[in-house]
Amino acid sequence: QQKVQQSPESLTVSEGAMASLNCTFSDRSSDNFRWYRQHSGKGLEVLVSIFSDGEKEEGSFTAHLNRASLHVFLHIREPQPSDSALYLCAVRDTNAYKVIFGKGTHLHVLP
Amino acid sequence: GGIITQTPKFLIGQEGQKLTLKCQQNFNHDTMYWYRQDSGKGLRLIYYSITENDLQKGDLSEGYDASREKKSSFSLTVTSAQKNEMAVFLCASSISGDQDTQYFGPGTRLLVL
Repeated sequence: QQKVQQSPESLTVSEGAMASLNCTFSDRSSDNFRWYRQHSGKGLEVLVSIFSDGEKEEGSFTAHLNRASLHVFLHIREPQPSDSALYLCAVRDTNAYKVIFGKGTHLHVLP
Repeated sequence: GGIITQTPKFLIGQEGQKLTLKCQQNFNHDTMYWYRQDSGKGLRLIYYSITENDLQKGDLSEGYDASREKKSSFSLTVTSAQKNEMAVFLCASSISGDQDTQYFGPGTRLLVL
């Protein structure tokens, strides 16, 4: 089964400064990766999905996948205080119905 | 667009009690999921259902039952609540299981006294 780890656990940035979050996984055979965001007390909101090596942009969110190095990054361009939330990396397991989530990165954006 | 509704939003139970959580989706999605979210542990899959009346165990199914009564609804039962248990239960759905995005409900917050 895929193992998914995220770093850092917590990240504080100033409004407008790029935020970069890291996710590592254990099995490079997966071709299905997503980043979700969860505001406090809310459900998960999908930000960006990526299925092949390279970059995928959705608004101010860019995912960068490198399966050879077992990394998928999320870059947030010009984050706002409203982007303060828990960010979760999700990797599809070899069982196609199962998704393995990382523990998340808490992002704090200071005004 | 669609929406996933979870009831109740908050659930306070007693040790040993059987507790039922409900989830409804109007996406017309085939596959539905129940996850448990604990602080510091991420999301863990409890049960999923590929279609109406189907049930598949996840990694954390012990201590839980589930029921997919119809395509739009998926319920989860905590068979015997554990004292001081505190977690968020998240329901999700997807068009099918393979490759598709999972859409999540707002969660049910459980506290066992």
